[in-house]
Amino acid sequence: KQEVTQIPAALSVPEGENLVLNCSFTDSAIYNLQWFRQDPGKGLTSLLLIQSSQREQTSGRLNASLDKSSGRSTLYIAASQPGDSATYLCAVRDNNNDMRFGAGTRLTVKP
Amino acid sequence: EAQVTQNPRYLITVTGKKLTVTCSQNMNHEYMSWYRQDPGLGLRQIYYSMNVEVTDKGDVPEGYKVSRKEKRNFPLILESPSPNQTSLYFCASSFGQLTGELFFGEGSRLTVL
Repeated sequence: KQEVTQIPAALSVPEGENLVLNCSFTDSAIYNLQWFRQDPGKGLTSLLLIQSSQREQTSGRLNASLDKSSGRSTLYIAASQPGDSATYLCAVRDNNNDMRFGAGTRLTVKP
Repeated sequence: EAQVTQNPRYLITVTGKKLTVTCSQNMNHEYMSWYRQDPGLGLRQIYYSMNVEVTDKGDVPEGYKVSRKEKRNFPLILESPSPNQTSLYFCASSFGQLTGELFFGEGSRLTVL
């Protein structure tokens, strides 16, 4: 059964810093990996979707990479801003069409 | 605007009183799914549907029912709610059964007394 782990569970950084969030998964037989942002009490907003054949995706200040063979993905946030404060979740879709979520990394960007 | 709409957004009910949480998407997505989110347990899948009249159990289906009579709607039914079903519920949909980007609704916060 696929397991998804996100490290660290929480992260606090000063505004302007570049940061990396990590996601690891146990079974490399995946269809895609998706990064989401969740604000407190709100729904999940899709940030980036990486198909299994892709190595990375970029959107603005966000860059997500995927190394399927090692079971890892990273979300890189450049020049962080207080508005980036949220919980970031990664999710893996496997061959059974199961979507497995990590527990998330709670990010705080201090002004 | 492309969206997944859930109703109600907030509900307080009592044990045993049947309720339905509706979910509708306007993106012509084939795949739809329900999740619950609980502190310390993360997001767990309840049921999903690959297409009309095709539904499957997720990780935590006990106490829930679903139906998919139309492509756009995927209601979640709690026949006899219990306090352990107090949770934040999310509906999601995607185009394509395996590779599509997953879109989420805003969530429905349910409290069962």
